[in-house]
Amino acid sequence: KAGVTQTPRYLIKTRGQQVTLSCSPISGHRSVSWYQQTPGQGLQFLFEYFSETQRNKGNFPGRFSGRQFSNSRSEMNVSTLELGDSALYLCASSNTGQANEKLFFGSGTQLSVL
Amino acid sequence: GENVEQHPSTLSVQEGDSAVIKCTYSDSASNYFPWYKQELGKRPQLIIDIRSNVGEKKDQRIAVTLNKTAKHFSLHITETQPEDSAVYFCAASSPRGYQKVTFGIGTKLQVIP
Repeated sequence: KAGVTQTPRYLIKTRGQQVTLSCSPISGHRSVSWYQQTPGQGLQFLFEYFSETQRNKGNFPGRFSGRQFSNSRSEMNVSTLELGDSALYLCASSNTGQANEKLFFGSGTQLSVL
Repeated sequence: GENVEQHPSTLSVQEGDSAVIKCTYSDSASNYFPWYKQELGKRPQLIIDIRSNVGEKKDQRIAVTLNKTAKHFSLHITETQPEDSAVYFCAASSPRGYQKVTFGIGTKLQVIP
C-alpha cells in the first residue's frame, strides 16, 4: 500500500495570505488527523476527521480549519497567516481513529511565513 | 485536557551505552502510550507502544515501562547504535477522545560512535 501522501512538500507565504494543505491517507484508512510540529512545542494536535466529520479539535484559533472528502482525503486551511504559523504540518491516518490505533504519518508540509 | 511532559530534551550517549527517556501524563483515563521515532527530515514512525493493562513491553533493544499509579512511562534503548540517533516522542491517548493523541515535546538522542 502507498503511504500517507502530503502535498505540497514546501510552501512559502507572506503574512496575511491563506494556504491549503492536502493529505491523502493510506488506502482504506478513514481517519485523518493533523499536527503542527515546531522545535519548541513538539507535535500539537490540530483536528481529526472521520467520514467527512470533524470529531475532535485542538486548541488552535479559528484561522485553522479543515475538511475531509468522501474518499478520505483531507485538506487543511490556514487563513490570515501569521509569522508564528511557520511550522511543519503533519497529517496522520489510521483505520478508524480509535484512541489506541497506530498513526501513520505523512512526510509533512513545511510552511514558511515571511 | 491531557498534558504530557517529556525529558530530557536532548540526550547524548556513547555507542553501546543505554538511553532512557521519561514521560509523565496527567489524565488518569489515558490508556495507550505510543512512542514515535523521527529521523532527521523524515516522518515520525511508531517504534513501540504499551497499553495500560501492561507494565512492561520489550522489542529487541527497545523496552517501555509504565507506572499507572505514578502516571509515568519510560523508553529504554540498550546497546545504542548510531542509527538510533533521532528525535523520540512519547504520547498518551485517552479513549475519551478520538485520536486526540497528546505528544511530549520530544527528545533528541545523539549516539556518538
